Amino acid sequence: AQSVAQPEDQVNVAEGNPLTVKCTYSVSGNPYLFWYVQYPNRGLQFLLKYITGDNLVKGSYGFEAEFNKSQTSFHLKKPSALVSDSALYFCAVRDDGMNRDDKIIFGKGTRLHILP
Amino acid sequence: EAQVTQNPRYLITVTGKKLTVTCSQNMNHEYMSWYRQDPGLGLRQIYYSMNVEVTDKGDVPEGYKVSRKEKRNFPLILESPSPNQTSLYFCASSQDSLFGSTQYFGPGTRLTVL
Repeated sequence: AQSVAQPEDQVNVAEGNPLTVKCTYSVSGNPYLFWYVQYPNRGLQFLLKYITGDNLVKGSYGFEAEFNKSQTSFHLKKPSALVSDSALYFCAVRDDGMNRDDKIIFGKGTRLHILP
Repeated sequence: EAQVTQNPRYLITVTGKKLTVTCSQNMNHEYMSWYRQDPGLGLRQIYYSMNVEVTDKGDVPEGYKVSRKEKRNFPLILESPSPNQTSLYFCASSQDSLFGSTQYFGPGTRLTVL
């Protein structure tokens, strides 16, 4: 069965600095990778996804993520953090392999704090 | 506006009193799903539906029921709620169940069972 890990419960970044939120995954076939963001008292919003093709994926609000097959990672990045980026971020994975669970699996989430 | 709606947004109830949380989407999506979000556990899938009259269990289905009689609606039923079902619940939909389909989430329902 596929799995996804977000190794950091919380990440603190000063405003204007680059940010990275880490995600690693395990699949039996090809990964389909997603990032979602949850602002306080809101549902999850889609940020970006990797299906195939270019390893660098660009998404909403200036975020991007890099798919690294050898390291089985899909880290979320932004060149210059804003205070408004403070939120809870979820990485998620689907697997098309023979040993897959036929559903999307979410990580436990990483809380991002951008310090003014 | 394309959206997933849930009602109620907040609910406080007592143990054993049956309740239903409604979910509706206006995007003609085939796939719908219910999740619960608990601190330190992330999102866990309760039930999902690939189309009308087709539902299946997710990771944590115990104590919950669902139905999919119409494409747009996917209510979550707690026949006899217990305190361990206190949680934040999200409904989500996607165009289909293909691997790369993006899920769209409702605003959430915060349930407290006393």
